[in-house]
Amino acid sequence: LAKTTQPISMDSYEGQEVNITCSHNNIATNDYITWYQQFPSQGPRFIIQGYKTKVTNEVASLFIPADRKSSTLSLPRVSLSDTAVYYCLALEGSSNTGKLIFGQGTTLQVKP
Amino acid sequence: GAVVSQHPSWVICKSGTSVKIECRSLDFQATTMFWYRQFPKQSLMLMATSNEGSKATYEQGVEKDKFLINHASLTLSTLTVTSAHPEDSSFYICSARDLSRGPGTEAFFGQGTRLTVV
Repeated sequence: LAKTTQPISMDSYEGQEVNITCSHNNIATNDYITWYQQFPSQGPRFIIQGYKTKVTNEVASLFIPADRKSSTLSLPRVSLSDTAVYYCLALEGSSNTGKLIFGQGTTLQVKP
Repeated sequence: GAVVSQHPSWVICKSGTSVKIECRSLDFQATTMFWYRQFPKQSLMLMATSNEGSKATYEQGVEKDKFLINHASLTLSTLTVTSAHPEDSSFYICSARDLSRGPGTEAFFGQGTRLTVV
């Protein structure tokens, strides 16, 4: 399983764009990069997933360079409600178990 | 996205008793379900993986006789904490994937169960 490394914490202000970078140097060929958001006392919520290049949905963008050894989650114009822990995971694409191993995550604090 | 429902949301039990937590996939068939435990200010720790109709695979260090997992159908998995003790107090979260849809299928998580053993 690919190990992911993220900054432990980040601070931002309302209205700013936030970029959280994740390192996954030993990612496997069939792995997908997946990001989750977790609020206190709740289960993680799926944000976005990609394999390479750029993926965009209604809440975020995900940038994955050609070597796939890192990825960047971009949250446009954050609000106070985006304060949460963000997890970057390598989703196994070739295993029958497909289990997800969580790293320490990035605690994002959005200030007014 | 798909919905995974976990019940109960919180439970308080006496030391020595057993507690069952249910995890249901409401609008998709979960070929694989996962159970996690999360302590305050920490990340999620995978406890076990279960496939429908098969025995669960436990992560190293997780006692299979204490944490009984049953995945009897494609929409339901249960975790039973047997002879619970205060150190078992934690936030338990289930997750489900439908791997029949392909290798990149995302996992969906339940809302979690706060277990307090007194």
